[in-house]
Amino acid sequence: QKEVEQNSGPLSVPEGAIASLNCTYSDRGSQSFFWYRQYSGKSPELIMSIYSNGDKEDGRFTAQLNKASQYVSLLIRDSQPSDSATYLCAVNYPNDYKLSFGAGTTVTVRA
Amino acid sequence: DTGVSQDPRHKITKRGQNVTFRCDPISEHNRLYWYRQTLGQGPEFLTYFQNEAQLEKSRLLSDRFSAERPKGSFSTLEIQRTEQGDSAMYLCASSLEWEVEQYFGPGTRLTVT
Repeated sequence: QKEVEQNSGPLSVPEGAIASLNCTYSDRGSQSFFWYRQYSGKSPELIMSIYSNGDKEDGRFTAQLNKASQYVSLLIRDSQPSDSATYLCAVNYPNDYKLSFGAGTTVTVRA
Repeated sequence: DTGVSQDPRHKITKRGQNVTFRCDPISEHNRLYWYRQTLGQGPEFLTYFQNEAQLEKSRLLSDRFSAERPKGSFSTLEIQRTEQGDSAMYLCASSLEWEVEQYFGPGTRLTVT
């Protein structure tokens, strides 16, 4: 059973702070890792993808991958109320095109 | 460049009825995926197509579910004899063959009464 685990939250952060989201996965063969943002009642939107160990930055978002620890994280810097959403971690395995998702972490940015 | 589209956006049906959903992928995306999402959970994979070929089906896809992509463009997902447990958001995603990033449509929210 390939599992993706996320902190269930909710995570409440003040505006301007850093939100830190964590995700662990069970299969060491996992190859590609994604973060999706999902607003209430809407569909998931791809915001970050990461494939190799280390950090990847895109604007206020930083994804961090540590394959040895089977751990991927997402940092949201200078959090804004518009960042309030559920963040889904997804994992892709070699030669397996479907995504396996965690249950998501709900983030609330309070003004 | 238009995104993935799905129709209808909402469907309310009575238990036992059949429903059909449509997905139009991003043009030139030859991979198309169906997922189902219930409240508080992440999307769960149902099936996927490469062009018109259905290459994988989840065990979640009971014999009441069928999906087609007859010409390798749009896809349909049919649920026969709907049950209350089928109530969920049905999501379609697409990708290019050589890329792993998947882009989701707006989803079809199904309510079975």
